[in-house]
Formats: sequence, structure tokens, C-alpha cells
Amino acid sequence: AQKVTQAQTEISVVEKEDVTLDCVYETRDTTYYLFWYKQPPSGELVFLIRRNSFDEQNEISGRYSWNFQKSTSSFNFTITASQVVDSAVYFCALSEALLVTSGSARQLTFGSGTQLTVLP
Amino acid sequence: SAVISQKPSRDICQRGTSLTIQCQVDSQVTMMFWYRQQPGQSLTLIATANQGSEATYESGFVIDKFPISRPNLTFSTLTVSNMSPEDSSIYLCSVEAPAGGYNEQFFGPGTRLTVL
Repeated sequence: AQKVTQAQTEISVVEKEDVTLDCVYETRDTTYYLFWYKQPPSGELVFLIRRNSFDEQNEISGRYSWNFQKSTSSFNFTITASQVVDSAVYFCALSEALLVTSGSARQLTFGSGTQLTVLP
Repeated sequence: SAVISQKPSRDICQRGTSLTIQCQVDSQVTMMFWYRQQPGQSLTLIATANQGSEATYESGFVIDKFPISRPNLTFSTLTVSNMSPEDSSIYLCSVEAPAGGYNEQFFGPGTRLTVL
């Protein structure tokens, strides 16, 4: 069975601080995908990133960066120089890959989410 | 990419009634998923709906309570039957669609359901 754990329920930081959201996952699959989604107060889910289990390169996109460590089954997300608009619930998710060559994924298993509040 | 719309966006319903939620996608997709997000909780998969076959339900969800239709490759409905206050949640439709060389999962804006 797949499981995603986000141990941090709530985090508060002051604007411009860096913050890291932790994600630990469990799966018996050798091929899988990991995701991060953002859910602002408006409720919609915003896709942030997807990684496959064969690609352990860390990724940076603007103020966002992701650290994938297969050895510790972790996929942590860091926001640098946080802003008030970053305030949201962030979900980490895991999906078994049907076929990595096809890029198809199955349904997502979500973590419980981390509520990030960035104070001005 | 895929743009997903859901109707209604929100509703307040009486106990014992049923509500059908519609999900429309702007492109043809094979797999559609229905998720539930109870207040303050994470998302839980209800069922997977592929066109031309019966929906596959996750443990804890049954067809009598959450019947799903998938009449074509761009549309699906989820009905929440015989509602109780415990069904108050956000219901989200999700699809898998090509984006930048991969297949990504896109989510609709959700339907906020309150059952009195």
C-alpha cells in the first residue's frame, strides 16, 4: 500500500524567511511519481511539480526548490524568501506509474497537507 | 493541458436528498477521477471512471452511495445519494492529460457541498 506522510500540520513564518515542507512516502513500487500541489484559500488545486522515481535530480523553479532523496523516501519542498501569497495548504502526493515510458500515472495518494501561513 | 469545469460550484442540500455533480473537460481523456476532501482534511479518492466501463470504487465507497456516469471522453457525473451531514465536503474531478511531454493530473475547481 502507498502512504504519504506530511508530519508538519501547520507552519508559520515571517515574510522573506525560507521554509521547508517535509514529505515522506512509502511504496512497494519501483516506478512511481511524486507530486506537490498548492491549495490556496480559494480551494483550487494548483500543480507545482512532478518527479519520477528514476530522476533524483533536485529541481529549482524560481523561489521553489525540491529535494528528492530516494534513500530516505523523502521529497521535500523549500520556498525561498517566502511571500504572503505563498500562504496555502501544500499537499505532497504519490502515484504508481503504469508505464514510465508512457508517462501515465494512476490515481494519487495524498498526504494530509501542511498549512503554511506567511505573516507580513 | 486540460481545463476542467464543475457544476455546481457549491450547493447547500437537505438531508436525504441527492446531488449530481458534473465534470466537463475541454479535451478527450481516458481516465477521470473523483476525489473527496472533507473539511480540513486531505483528498481521498472515491473512484476511477474510464469511458466505456464501470467505475472502480476505492475501499469505503460504494456505487449505491456514489453512482458515477461516464458517457463520453469529456464528461462525467458523480451523484451523492441520500445525503447526510457527513457528506459535506469538497468534491473534485481530476483527469490525466498531456502536458509538456508528460501526462499530468489536472483538477477541477471543486464542488463545495454542505448538507444540513
